[in-house]
Amino acid sequence: DAGVTQSPTHLIKTRGQHVTLRCSPISGHKSVSWYQQVLGQGPQFIFQYYEKEERGRGNFPDRFSARQFPNYSSELNVNALLLGDSALYLCASSFGDSGANVLTFGAGSRLTVL
Amino acid sequence: DQQVKQNSPSLSVQEGRISILNCDYTNSMFDYFLWYKKYPAEGPTFLISISSIKDKNEDGRFTVFLNKSAKHLSLHIVPSQPGDSAVYFCAARRSNSGYALNFGKGTSLLVTP
Repeated sequence: DAGVTQSPTHLIKTRGQHVTLRCSPISGHKSVSWYQQVLGQGPQFIFQYYEKEERGRGNFPDRFSARQFPNYSSELNVNALLLGDSALYLCASSFGDSGANVLTFGAGSRLTVL
Repeated sequence: DQQVKQNSPSLSVQEGRISILNCDYTNSMFDYFLWYKKYPAEGPTFLISISSIKDKNEDGRFTVFLNKSAKHLSLHIVPSQPGDSAVYFCAARRSNSGYALNFGKGTSLLVTP
């Protein structure tokens, strides 16, 4: 079975641009979460979606947005990119939305903002 | 504010010996704790977890201990193997926060032959 897949794996943008990152969860998983991992830090929670509804949002500015599609895949959008947005963006999926379920992470999308 | 802290950025252990990775947290509302392992160019992989109603959980070579009064948990790996060399992240969450995990900065474990 395929795990959590993310695209693109690497990308380079310039300040002020917009980026869209994509995530396909494990088949049967209905919840998708997004995390940002800056170099030298642990992953930081951005969003959680379950059944296309936002279930949680971390301490990130409104430049960050996300959505989940009927097939449970998800997109993370970041507008007006800043140098500080350079990071590894991790997507994780799980079956349900209760805290008992374990997150399975993808390999991430590495964004570099110049 | 860093609510989950891993104060040792790195740890080196000989193969066959015990590896002990430590984690402290500040939020007393956390009630579920997890350890993830991360290899380069891969996403974090779930290793073991523990609920706040327990003080120990074992899974093969891995044991997690929780000391709620000290707000401290530790991961023991016995015996350590070279394949265990990776970055280990401690994470915590509150049951009413869904999947919002709070991660520490990670500890890089190197197991030498």
